[in-house]
Amino acid sequence: NAGVMQNPRHLVRRRGQEARLRCSPMKGHSHVYWYRQLPEEGLKFMVYLQKENIIDESGMPKERFSAEFPKEGPSILRIQQVVRGDSAAYFCASSPPQNTEAFFGQGTRLTVV
Amino acid sequence: EDQVTQSPEALRLQEGESSSLNCSYTVSGLRGLFWYRQDPGKGPEFLFTLYSAGEEKEKERLKATLTKKESFLHITAPKPEDSATYLCAVQAVRSGGSNYKLTFGKGTLLTVNP
Repeated sequence: NAGVMQNPRHLVRRRGQEARLRCSPMKGHSHVYWYRQLPEEGLKFMVYLQKENIIDESGMPKERFSAEFPKEGPSILRIQQVVRGDSAAYFCASSPPQNTEAFFGQGTRLTVV
Repeated sequence: EDQVTQSPEALRLQEGESSSLNCSYTVSGLRGLFWYRQDPGKGPEFLFTLYSAGEEKEKERLKATLTKKESFLHITAPKPEDSATYLCAVQAVRSGGSNYKLTFGKGTLLTVNP
């Protein structure tokens, strides 16, 4: 049973480009969460999705950030027109419908140059 | 607003020297308290969930305990491979089913020297 799969592991983008981060949840998990970890800070909640639905995006910046979890395929976190402050580690987690333990992927480390 | 404070920020131990990490929390209603381990460049690895005061869970050299205000992660006779950042997170009881969000502390960086 594979764990939560994230790709790419490392992503370098120039300022103004778009970043697309992908996450495939664990088998049997229908809930996906995205968290961001900035240097010297704790993990911060961004968004919670179920298939084809955004349940809570209260932690997402109001502009440039969007997330989706389509019926088929992985969840995508998209950052448009990236800026240096977007450089961080982005982690995806998944859980079963009971919202019990969340299991994390290895993260995507985004560097904006 | 939910808050989680972990102490100390960093801890150095000699191999075999037991100690404890602290996680203090403020939450309107606790649904669960979670401990994770994070190695450099990796994602958090789930260790334990505690649901009610007085609960304890053990795994190898680690034991987690919970009171109404804090949780402790006890490390008995640690080994160098226990070196990692240990993260504590709380999940609050909320109306409308929105009880999934984890609020994390900043972690304790544990280094175990041989």
